Amino acid sequence: AQRVTQPEKLLSVFKGAPVELKCNYSYSGSPELFWYVQYSRQRLQLLLRHISRESIKGFTADLNKGETSFHLKKPFAQEEDSAMYYCALKGGATNKLIFGTGTLLAVQP
Amino acid sequence: GAVVSQHPSRVICKSGTSVKIECRSLDFQATTMFWYRQFPKQSLMLMATSNEGSKATYEQGVEKDKFLINHASLTLSTLTVTSAHPEDSSFYICSASVSRGGFYGYTFGSGTRLTVV
Repeated sequence: AQRVTQPEKLLSVFKGAPVELKCNYSYSGSPELFWYVQYSRQRLQLLLRHISRESIKGFTADLNKGETSFHLKKPFAQEEDSAMYYCALKGGATNKLIFGTGTLLAVQP
Repeated sequence: GAVVSQHPSRVICKSGTSVKIECRSLDFQATTMFWYRQFPKQSLMLMATSNEGSKATYEQGVEKDKFLINHASLTLSTLTVTSAHPEDSSFYICSASVSRGGFYGYTFGSGTRLTVV
């Protein structure tokens, strides 16, 4: 079964500190992983796709198939990074997107 | 590009009535749309996958007769909550898959806050 686990409901860091939002997945085939961000009172926005290996707003995420993880990282957090972050999995031929429970990142000044 | 417009953003209805939520792709054709439900401080739960011109595929546990989905065109999908009850109060979000020479990702509507009184 497809499953996405984000173990932290809330992550609070100070401005300038490194950030790592954890995401683990369960899927028997080759998954496509995404990170979505939802700023206050705004719609979900795509942040990263693992297959494009890009860096957006300083965030990166590497797919580790051995550990079945796709952790989101940023070396220096900014206050404007405060938002809800969702890890999501698209499995194989299906177009269904399965979300983790989300992690609220709070960056303190 | 790839914007999805969802209306209404907020609706209050009486118990027993029906409510229709619209999801439109503004600048692209959405062959497939998805409907999610989000409870307070919880994740998005996929309710159903809506395919243009065919019946929707519902997730396990979702009542298809209560949550009617219509996807009659490439730019419009609707979710109708029939005979609404207070427990149907929730935040409903639509999404569409986006292709750019192949699957690219998903774009989301701004959501509809449904309150059944």
